[in-house]
Amino acid sequence: GQQVMQIPQYQHVQEGEDFTTYCNSSTTLSNIQWYKQRPGGHPVFLIQLVKSGEVKKQKRLTFQFGEAKKNSSLHITATQTTDVGTYFCAGPGHTNKLIFGTGTLLAVQP
Amino acid sequence: DAGVTQSPTHLIKTRGQQVTLRCSPKSGHDTVSWYQQALGQGPQFIFQYYEEEERQRGNFPDRFSGHQFPNYSSELNVNALLLGDSALYLCASSLNRGSQPQHFGDGTRLSIL
Repeated sequence: GQQVMQIPQYQHVQEGEDFTTYCNSSTTLSNIQWYKQRPGGHPVFLIQLVKSGEVKKQKRLTFQFGEAKKNSSLHITATQTTDVGTYFCAGPGHTNKLIFGTGTLLAVQP
Repeated sequence: DAGVTQSPTHLIKTRGQQVTLRCSPKSGHDTVSWYQQALGQGPQFIFQYYEEEERQRGNFPDRFSGHQFPNYSSELNVNALLLGDSALYLCASSLNRGSQPQHFGDGTRLSIL
């Protein structure tokens, strides 16, 4: 079946360092969504990318959708302690069900 | 503007029992999806309800069933509970069926003893 993998599984950074998580799908996606889940919380929708090669920015966060629409990345510039949490990508499967990636847990040390 | 609300927040059951979880979608949303999230994993799609019918279903057994009411609220029922059903159950609402961006509730933490 379709799989959505993310790397790394876990990353620990010093506050102020940059962070990137990568998302790879086994199949082409019509769109890619990113969610953030704080420890003990629920996933919160961040953004959706639709076009091949699309790049979107939200303050210190930069999201990119690959040219082949099979991969995506999330880059955070100058991390802050408020960035702590697990970042998930998600994309629609062949029957349009949303499939979540394995997630990347970000820890930020002050 | 109320977001997605779920009840109860926590529940403890024993093997073989049955459980019902409830969800009210975000105001204006007509589609409800249910997810199971095991510790350290991403949410796994259970099913989606739209116009009071199950429209999509993930790889979950028939022990998992649901319902959507005319006011768009929804229930998730799990029969014959197994230890492996222990997880966070998340309800998400969206506008229109399919893979639209999901607005999640806080979830119900289900523990099976």
